[in-house]
Amino acid sequence: AQKVTQAQTEISVVEKEDVTLDCVYETRDTTYYLFWYKQPPSGELVFLIRRNSFDEQNEISGRYSWNFQKSTSSFNFTITASQVVDSAVYFCVYGSGNTGKLIFGQGTTLQVKP
Amino acid sequence: GAGVSQSPSNKVTEKGKDVELRCDPISGHTALYWYRQSLGQGLEFLIYFQGNSAPDKSGLPSDRFSAERTGGSVSTLTIQRTQQEDSAVYLCASSLVAGVGTDTQYFGPGTRLTVL
Repeated sequence: AQKVTQAQTEISVVEKEDVTLDCVYETRDTTYYLFWYKQPPSGELVFLIRRNSFDEQNEISGRYSWNFQKSTSSFNFTITASQVVDSAVYFCVYGSGNTGKLIFGQGTTLQVKP
Repeated sequence: GAGVSQSPSNKVTEKGKDVELRCDPISGHTALYWYRQSLGQGLEFLIYFQGNSAPDKSGLPSDRFSAERTGGSVSTLTIQRTQQEDSAVYLCASSLVAGVGTDTQYFGPGTRLTVL
């Protein structure tokens, strides 16, 4: 069965620090998709990124960057120069094939202090 | 444009009562998903619809849980004879078509259910 592990339960940083959120997944699927969602204190899940298993290119979007490595089954998320508004719970998520089912990691709570 | 909406935002009920939770997907989205978020279990998939049919109901925790979707739009999640362990936030999401490889799921604000 597929599984997503986010070993870091909580991380606390001071504003402007860089922070990396770790994500490791387990699967036997050859085609699959990985996502990151953000859940701010307001509660609504916000989509950040989707990658497929055939594309290991790193991606950068502003202060956010993602490192996908199939060899280590990891999909880590880095926030550069963190800001207080980045404080939220971040979920690494797995999906396979043509099903609609998403499998969520346990989430990492990020607190950015001013 | 309007996002996914859910109602009620909060629901408090007594153990043993039935509850109905409603989800209005983004206009034009044919796929609709239900998830549950609780402290003990994290975020779990319950069921998804493509149109009015439900190809995957594997996440429904018991036969007290059911969901329907009519007209390819609004969906209702019904929990019969509620138990305290049903207390959670119930999240709805929609996507243009079903399939994680084809489209992104966009989530609503959730319904917080408390069973006393």
